Amino acid sequence: DAGVTQSPTHLIKTRGQHVTLRCSPISGHKSVSWYQQVLGQGPQFIFQYYEKEERGRGNFPDRFSARQFPNYSSELNVNALLLGDSALYLCASSPDVHYEQYFGPGTRLTVT
Amino acid sequence: QKEVEQNSGPLSVPEGAIASLNCTYSDRGSQSFFWYRQYSGKSPELIMFIYSNGDKEDGRFTAQLNKASQYVSLLIRDSQPSDSATYLCAVKGNSGNTPLVFGKGTRLSVIA
Repeated sequence: DAGVTQSPTHLIKTRGQHVTLRCSPISGHKSVSWYQQVLGQGPQFIFQYYEKEERGRGNFPDRFSARQFPNYSSELNVNALLLGDSALYLCASSPDVHYEQYFGPGTRLTVT
Repeated sequence: QKEVEQNSGPLSVPEGAIASLNCTYSDRGSQSFFWYRQYSGKSPELIMFIYSNGDKEDGRFTAQLNKASQYVSLLIRDSQPSDSATYLCAVKGNSGNTPLVFGKGTRLSVIA
């Protein structure tokens, strides 16, 4: 079975630009979560969605937004990029909000 | 602020030895506990999860949970050089809306 997929793999953007990251969960999984991981740190929670509804939001500014589509795929949007947004963005899927999460390969975002 | 603490390491063990990785957490209401392995430049891979006090074994891996002491550990028996990675401890509260909270990870080095 296919695991979690994310696109793109790598991305280079300039400060002030906007970026959209995409995620497709494992087949049958209805919950998607987004995390940001900077070097030397554990993943930091950004959003969780279940059945197209936001179920949790981490301590990130309003420049970060996300949504989940009827097919359970999801996208993360970041506006007005800052240098500090450079990180590995991880998507994780789970059958529902109570179960273990499986990560995709991540999108490496570099902001210059 | 819910916190998960791990020794950053590096923890060096000889090949064939038992590696012991430890994690403490601050939220006494936490219910679900996960261990992820992350190779350099890759995304986290789920290797164990535990929900009840005691031990849970899966192959060479054993997770141990002591909720009274707010302590969870991972033992890796017969350590191999391929086990060299960063091990992330993650903790989740008892509500479906609570996010996974990660520690910073412990870097394990298995010496051949």
